[in-house]
Amino acid sequence: EADIYQTPRYLVIGTGKKITLECSQTMGHDKMYWYQQDPGMELHLIHYSYGVNSTEKGDLSSESTVSRIRTEHFPLTLESARPSHTSQYLCASSELGQGTSGANVLTFGAGSRLTVL
Amino acid sequence: AQTVTQSQPEMSVQEAETVTLSCTYDTSENNYYLFWYKQPPSRQMILVIRQEAYKQQNATENRFSVNFQKAAKSFSLKISDSQLGDTAMYFCACVDDKIIFGKGTRLHILP
Repeated sequence: EADIYQTPRYLVIGTGKKITLECSQTMGHDKMYWYQQDPGMELHLIHYSYGVNSTEKGDLSSESTVSRIRTEHFPLTLESARPSHTSQYLCASSELGQGTSGANVLTFGAGSRLTVL
Repeated sequence: AQTVTQSQPEMSVQEAETVTLSCTYDTSENNYYLFWYKQPPSRQMILVIRQEAYKQQNATENRFSVNFQKAAKSFSLKISDSQLGDTAMYFCACVDDKIIFGKGTRLHILP
């Protein structure tokens, strides 16, 4: 049973539209991440957060933005979608601490598959 | 720089056989964690197995086990008695202060 939820699961939109991909987790995890992944391909980290009011850019340059106003919520926004944004977006979370049984273990959401026409 | 290398982009084995997926990594940290994640087709990524670098004993989870060679910076995954449901992308990951994933190995279990 997933404790991290992503909506929408599938989205088809036109170029220039603004979209927000939602991600919520119920585990109280401090760290949250957004990855971009073309189907069956490698993961690219685009944003992450250590906690409320913390956001960092990942390794892959992205035109998206994120916010972390609440611990459980980490939405990703594209102000003006383009066909190059067509991809799958995976949200994940993990505990912050070291040495605990769950430390650094990522729990992933089911993904949001975005198609921009 | 921290790197994770999976040298086998794709593999196929017959059901019930044993298969080993390779992973090598590089990190300058002494304290780190290693993971294998599984991503079945069109399904959610899930944790398969984890290994703390300070532990000498190889981790085991049912049919899944690892061969952790710290000096060689190698972390291979062995799947015994493979099943059709093991068909998936498998990602190796190294976590020190960052999480780095390998590019993945696509594993096909053939009936």
